[in-house]
Amino acid sequence: GQNIDQPTEMTATEGAIVQINCTYQTSGFNGLFWYQQHAGEAPTFLSYNVLDGLEEKGRFSSFLSRSKGYSYLLLKELQMKDSASYLCAVKDSNYQLIWGAGTKLIIKP
Amino acid sequence: ETGVTQTPRHLVMGMTNKKSLKCEQHLGHNAMYWYKQSAKKPLELMFVYNFKEQTENNSVPSRFSPECPNSSHLFLHLHTLQPEDSALYLCASSLGTSGEAYEQYFGPGTRLTVT
Repeated sequence: GQNIDQPTEMTATEGAIVQINCTYQTSGFNGLFWYQQHAGEAPTFLSYNVLDGLEEKGRFSSFLSRSKGYSYLLLKELQMKDSASYLCAVKDSNYQLIWGAGTKLIIKP
Repeated sequence: ETGVTQTPRHLVMGMTNKKSLKCEQHLGHNAMYWYKQSAKKPLELMFVYNFKEQTENNSVPSRFSPECPNSSHLFLHLHTLQPEDSALYLCASSLGTSGEAYEQYFGPGTRLTVT
């Protein structure tokens, strides 16, 4: 079966750096997405990786290793507004998105 | 309005009621999706429409009936639901379905409670 694993919850301190990991086992691979979802709101697109390596976008970076079935989202200079759930999703061989259950990130002052 | 809108935002219904959820996208996209989101579970894809044609139905019970009259509008008709159907129902749209980089844009969701 297809599976996406990510930690259920993480806690970090304002101003610090946090890395949220995602491992996947899917039938085929057509890219990996990270979304942010604040409580009670819609998920919003953060990043897309299809080739190995690091994609940087401001305070957020996303890394992919296809051979290891592994990605991480790196958040720098954490702000209180970064408290949210972060969803990892992989497009399989049928271009269908397979979703992880999300990582709830709690930022403390 | 811009983006993806959903109505109603909250819905409480009895198991014998019939109700409909509405989704509208103003992004010029061709594909629309219904997802179910339950606490601490992955998003569950329910239905996919591409150019108004249904392309995915992920073994969803017949008490959920989708309708896509055009590429901008998507409905989910609900009938004789069960309490375990209580969840957040999210609508999303994307430029297409087969492109690798086609990210999905989500609406704010309808919080459904079945009593």
